[in-house]
Amino acid sequence: NAGVTQTPKFQVLKTGQSMTLQCAQDMNHEYMSWYRQDPGMGLRLIHYSVGAGITDQGEVPNGYNVSRSTTEDFPLRLLSAAPSQTSVYFCASSLGTAHYEQYFGPGTRLTVT
Amino acid sequence: SQQGEEDPQALSIQEGENATMNCSYKTSINNLQWYRQNSGRGLVHLILIRSNEREKHSGRLRVTLDTSKKSSSLLITASRAADTASYFCATDAGAGGTSYGKLTFGQGTILTVHP
Repeated sequence: NAGVTQTPKFQVLKTGQSMTLQCAQDMNHEYMSWYRQDPGMGLRLIHYSVGAGITDQGEVPNGYNVSRSTTEDFPLRLLSAAPSQTSVYFCASSLGTAHYEQYFGPGTRLTVT
Repeated sequence: SQQGEEDPQALSIQEGENATMNCSYKTSINNLQWYRQNSGRGLVHLILIRSNEREKHSGRLRVTLDTSKKSSSLLITASRAADTASYFCATDAGAGGTSYGKLTFGQGTILTVHP
């Protein structure tokens, strides 16, 4: 199994541009989520999904959209990039929500200038 | 808001010594999890401890949970240089005993193990 994969690894955007961060998992996990990691802040939950067709907001959802059309994929869309969205983005998945460990992807380092 | 607060922020020890990291949190939880992150990499799950458990072991790792004090500790025994990483606690608060899988992370402890 490849586990959780994320593309791209690095991305530089100009303010106002939009883009999609890709996340895929091949473990047939129902639960997927997106976090951002900023220096000294730990990880903060952006959006999550408990299954195909179901998404919900996390702690810091503003400026981001998600959709979950398949079990495998959970893309994160930046609608109009801002410098405050400069961060490292991690996608995670787990078998379910009840007391399951989460598997993290390698991350996407995004810089918005 | 950050649910977990970790202490110390940084820890530097010699190989063979034990390393203890602490995590405090604010609200009731369903479980608490510890993750390791090597520099520039994704997080790797270490241990999950449920709110009705007090202690768990996994190899050289020992985790304790004190729900009355809203705190947890991670002990790594006989540390190795390869243990050098950042360690994060994450809480799953849920509601009514239901785990929602929505984790709230602490700021992490940076552990450096010198050969």
